[in-house]
Amino acid sequence: KAGVTQTPRYLIKTRGQQVTLSCSPISGHRSVSWYQQTPGQGLQFLFEYFSETQRNKGNFPGRFSGRQFSNSRSEMNVSTLELGDSALYLCASSEDWGWTKNIQYFGAGTRLSVL
Amino acid sequence: AQSVTQPDIHITVSEGASLELRCNYSYGATPYLFWYVQSPGQGLQLLLKYFSGDTLVQGIKGFEAEFKRSQSSFNLRKPSVHWSDAAEYFCAVVDSKAAGNKLTFGGGTRVLVKP
Repeated sequence: KAGVTQTPRYLIKTRGQQVTLSCSPISGHRSVSWYQQTPGQGLQFLFEYFSETQRNKGNFPGRFSGRQFSNSRSEMNVSTLELGDSALYLCASSEDWGWTKNIQYFGAGTRLSVL
Repeated sequence: AQSVTQPDIHITVSEGASLELRCNYSYGATPYLFWYVQSPGQGLQLLLKYFSGDTLVQGIKGFEAEFKRSQSSFNLRKPSVHWSDAAEYFCAVVDSKAAGNKLTFGGGTRVLVKP
């Protein structure tokens, strides 16, 4: 099986722009989560989607949004980019959602640089 | 608040020596516990997991971890380190009493292997 695929791998944007990142989960996985990784804050949870619905949300401003499509693929969007949004954005997929023992598998990430 | 602590930011170990990485968590109930490894510029790879049962868990690449409820710890060990083990290691937990797969991560431990 192919792993979690994130595109693009690298992005350079300027302040004020917006950006969309894409994530294709492992085939058969229906839950997708997004994380932000920075040297200062470490790995932080952004949001989680299952069945095209946001199920969980981290403590990020409304500029960060996401969605999931019927084929379980997910996108996240960051509007009005700030310098502090420069980070590695990681997507993870798991088979299911709920009170079950799921394992999250991560993609290689998208490195976003905001100038 | 729920939290995960990895007390050691950096560890340097000689090739062939043993390695132990510490992880402590603060949760109301026993969470699901994970160790991930991240090589430079890469995503996170799952090393091992603990959901319940046997408190000594075997993982990939010769790693094992032991869950100690009394100490709220889930330390990672490897008997003999290889140069390829140089990477950053993250302990993570999922709240077993909540729906969803949200991972809360420790700050990470960077491992340097000396020849």
